[in-house]
Amino acid sequence: DGGITQSPKYLFRKEGQNVTLSCEQNLNHDAMYWYRQDPGQGLRLIYYSQIVNDFQKGDIAEGYSVSREKKESFPLTVTSAQKNPTAFYLCASSMDRGPVNEQFFGPGTRLTVL
Amino acid sequence: AQTVTQSQPEMSVQEAETVTLSCTYDTSENNYYLFWYKQPPSRQMILVIRQEAYKQQNATENRFSVNFQKAAKSFSLKISDSQLGDTAMYFCAFTITGTASKLTFGTGTRLQVTL
Repeated sequence: DGGITQSPKYLFRKEGQNVTLSCEQNLNHDAMYWYRQDPGQGLRLIYYSQIVNDFQKGDIAEGYSVSREKKESFPLTVTSAQKNPTAFYLCASSMDRGPVNEQFFGPGTRLTVL
Repeated sequence: AQTVTQSQPEMSVQEAETVTLSCTYDTSENNYYLFWYKQPPSRQMILVIRQEAYKQQNATENRFSVNFQKAAKSFSLKISDSQLGDTAMYFCAFTITGTASKLTFGTGTRLQVTL
């Protein structure tokens, strides 16, 4: 089955540690995105990538980093510089053809920093 | 900057009834798309319906339809014949044409369908 996988589903880390969230897609999509979801704030864009080896900052990129070495993978690292990392993180992907393309979302990762 | 506002944090509707969720947005752009996404308790985001701003005809998908008022910058979602499985968070989202389909989301409306 084609889709987007995110792992792990739940992640616990101590304050000050970097942590990497995995996102993989087998939909042959060009573009990939990372969103953060907090209660009462909807989803906010962290980073996005339209092509391998290229990515751009979204609205709340501070304290996060990404890489796009393969078309299928777009890992997100939450660094110790992120002041409030506890949140639900969603990865999405889309084709990058035409004016607008539907985004398909993964199941999410719940990160809790203790 | 673009903003999306959902002024109803929570709503409730009885099974088989109709409910309308509100969404307003603000942009100076003329070419854009609007979406409604559903997030059930599983937290999987699912696209419900989309509307191209250049189309005057309101989009419909089975029991889901929108009322798109471009001049008023309003984009409401109507759910007809509500079902228990419609219980979810509903997010209105917006993207400008040619911006890599980046989405700006509203804060969501929690819909509870009751017996």
